[in-house]
Amino acid sequence: EDKVVQSPLSLVVHEGDTVTLNCSYEVTNFRSLLWYKQEKKAPTFLFMLTSSGIEKKSGRLSSILDKKELFSILNITATQTGDSAVYLCAVEARYGNKLVFGAGTILRVKS
Amino acid sequence: DAGITQSPRYKITETGRQVTLMCHQTWSHSYMFWYRQDLGHGLRLIYYSAAADITDKGEVPDGYVVSRSKTENFPLTLESATRSQTSVYFCASGDYNEQFFGPGTRLTVL
Repeated sequence: EDKVVQSPLSLVVHEGDTVTLNCSYEVTNFRSLLWYKQEKKAPTFLFMLTSSGIEKKSGRLSSILDKKELFSILNITATQTGDSAVYLCAVEARYGNKLVFGAGTILRVKS
Repeated sequence: DAGITQSPRYKITETGRQVTLMCHQTWSHSYMFWYRQDLGHGLRLIYYSAAADITDKGEVPDGYVVSRSKTENFPLTLESATRSQTSVYFCASGDYNEQFFGPGTRLTVL
């Protein structure tokens, strides 16, 4: 059975801290791993990772994939209160653009 | 307006009633998806569609029916709603490896 596990389940930090969110997976026919940010609405796309060891960056956010160890991390540096959200990891498995989601990590950034 | 919309945004119904959630996208994406989101489970795929008239089951299809007669619409029907179907439902559309989500429908089954 395809599985995506995120850790920690929740995290509280102070503004300016750096956080690392983890995502491990077990899926057949892996194609890609995606990170989403969800505030009080629909998830919004952050990154798509397909190759090991290549870091994707967008401002203070970065992510990297390890296909050998079957995990990905999402880093957020110099956190801001606007980073407070649920961060979802999803893996595309098998065929047909189907995504398997993890339960998410709830991040709260305190001012 | 371009994008993906869902209706209604909020719905309260009673056990045993039939409910249809609507999803409409203007991008002409081939793929459309229905997810439910529950605390502790994240997003779980209910059904998806690769094209008009092609649908397939996801992780949690029981109790749901979908159809896709037109590329832009993908309605989700709960034939006889149960309390366990109280959830937030997200529709998404996309092509290769990127899905765009609708705003969600919060459904409460009493």
